[in-house]
Amino acid sequence: DIQMTQSPSSLSASVGDRVSITCRASQSISSSLNWYQQKLGKAPKLQISAASTLQSGVPSRFSGSGSGTDFTLTISSLQPEDFATYYCQQNYTTAWTFGQGTKVEI
Amino acid sequence: QVQLVQSGAEVKKPGASVKVSCKGSGYTFTTYGITWVRQAPGQGLEWMGWISASSGNTDYAQKFQGRVNMTTDTSTSTAYMELRSLRPDDTAVYYCARTPRDWGQGTLVAVSS
Repeated sequence: DIQMTQSPSSLSASVGDRVSITCRASQSISSSLNWYQQKLGKAPKLQISAASTLQSGVPSRFSGSGSGTDFTLTISSLQPEDFATYYCQQNYTTAWTFGQGTKVEI
Repeated sequence: QVQLVQSGAEVKKPGASVKVSCKGSGYTFTTYGITWVRQAPGQGLEWMGWISASSGNTDYAQKFQGRVNMTTDTSTSTAYMELRSLRPDDTAVYYCARTPRDWGQGTLVAVSS
């Protein structure tokens, strides 16, 4: 199985801050990397697919980069509604694997 | 629009089985597989397996081999995930997903004596 290592596991930030979360795959996954936002009691919501494709309706302050094994999610100016847990996920294989999650707190 | 609607919460005793359903609408059911993911309380997301809605072929996580059975009913556009020999650490929210973009609302399964 492909292992996904996400860091940090949590971070504290303020409204307006620039925030970055990294994700490393145990082998090359090309650009088959998705980023999700999850709020308490809700299903994960896809924010970015294929490493850098912003989903419809997701604010442009979210961006994704990387390919191969190293990926980054960046929020350029954190807003109150962005406080949540973020997960990376590879779908290079049908056996999806997820990072451990990053909780973004005030 | 695409919708995946899951069955309601379940409470089970250790050793029992649970069968969670996931009804798809707004698309041709047999053109996509269904992935099942679970999330224990306060924990991350865990892939359980995948089923092809057209062929019925499955791919299960090794952790669940022998304990899980995924099926589909194309006449009702419904996928099912059955987990047997439940343990307390199977307590989790179980999600179905058609693609990374389309997820069900989740089904809480609580296992307790």
